[in-house]
Amino acid sequence: GAVVSQHPSRVICKSGTSVKIECRSLDFQATTMFWYRQFPKKSLMLMATSNEGSKATYEQGVEKDKFLINHASLTLSTLTVTSAHPEDSSFYICSANWLAGLDEQFFGPGTRLTVL
Amino acid sequence: TQLLEQSPQFLSIQEGENLTVYCNSSSVFSSLQWYRQEPGEGPVLLVTVVTGGEVKKLKRLTFQFGDARKDSSLHITAAQPGDTGLYLCAGASSNSGYALNFGKGTSLLVTP
Repeated sequence: GAVVSQHPSRVICKSGTSVKIECRSLDFQATTMFWYRQFPKKSLMLMATSNEGSKATYEQGVEKDKFLINHASLTLSTLTVTSAHPEDSSFYICSANWLAGLDEQFFGPGTRLTVL
Repeated sequence: TQLLEQSPQFLSIQEGENLTVYCNSSSVFSSLQWYRQEPGEGPVLLVTVVTGGEVKKLKRLTFQFGDARKDSSLHITAAQPGDTGLYLCAGASSNSGYALNFGKGTSLLVTP
């Protein structure tokens, strides 16, 4: 149980285009999902908390218009990187709480974004 | 944001050696998780510790939560090459809701 998937696993795009990353909880419902960004050999940096049916909560310094988050259902959250630039190239990882009220998070396999 | 200091940042040891990774904070956490991550993959949950003073064992891995719930350690006995990876501690507190605060990670390399 508690499996989280991400799609795509890798994406290469040109500067100025938008890229959508999907995060799905496969065998449970997740009212809250989280989006992280990770640089090489570094730890995870929380970008935003995605709440089903409401607006995402963004961490300080993360542009909400740049990184659009939609949590339309209890099993799907999407992160759209708009007008991508090379500096947006990174490893993006989502996670979800298995059960509401528990601190444990289960992570997706990540999406490697490369912006040319 | 409650800061988690993780040490050491890098560790290179030979197969069979023991090691300890530390995770310290000045803040109290309701729980603390340890994750292991391999390159190009998402972190995998190893253990969650909740009670101050708690000790949990997972085969050759021993996890301890400090009495005051501000620090934790991960001890690996007789390390094997398969233990190579990035080890991350993450703490949750009532202030952060369900969001986790991650340490900077410990990159472990175990050579045969």
